[in-house]
Amino acid sequence: KNEVEQSPQNLTAQEGEFITINCSYSVGISALHWLQQHPGGGIVSLFMLSSGKKKHGRLIATINIQEKHSSLHITASHPRDSAVYICAPTIGGGADGLTFGKGTHLIIQP
Amino acid sequence: ETGVTQTPRHLVMGMTNKKSLKCEQHLGHNAMYWYKQSAKKPLELMFVYSLEERVENNSVPSRFSPECPNSSHLFLHLHTLQPEDSALYLCASSHDSLRGGYTFGSGTRLTVV
Repeated sequence: KNEVEQSPQNLTAQEGEFITINCSYSVGISALHWLQQHPGGGIVSLFMLSSGKKKHGRLIATINIQEKHSSLHITASHPRDSAVYICAPTIGGGADGLTFGKGTHLIIQP
Repeated sequence: ETGVTQTPRHLVMGMTNKKSLKCEQHLGHNAMYWYKQSAKKPLELMFVYSLEERVENNSVPSRFSPECPNSSHLFLHLHTLQPEDSALYLCASSHDSLRGGYTFGSGTRLTVV
């Protein structure tokens, strides 16, 4: 079973700050997803990574497969970034489903 | 809308009721999933269907019964639920490979009374 640890569990920051959320997992994986969940429950897939780094707008995700670690960064944070961010590694292909971290609850204050 | 549509958005049911949750996608994905999110717990995988065949059950109680009649539709049939089954139930779909990411529905907020 893949143990997934995210840190921090809760983070409150001021608008404009650089945000880092970390994810560690215990077994080898084929890919890792970063998900964003807003109040009300809807989940959006932000990134799927199997190596290196990806960037989308103000969001950057990195992964180190050897160290079993991934990070999600938010530059120039904004109150609309307030959400729960969830790390979800997958061991096999898509049909294996995802294992989820408990999530990081991020609040960006104006 | 994400491309994965779940209905209803909210459901309140008694423990003796029978109800069904519906999920629909027209993204060309061939794998569909049911996840459960309880308060203060991580998302949990309940069922996986790939090419319309169930590939994972994860020891879900039999009061939850999935059905996948075709690659675009997924149902979760509910009967004789317990109050602890109250949760957010999320449907997702993906390609049956690493070609693409997951697309989630908005979820059904279920309350069992």
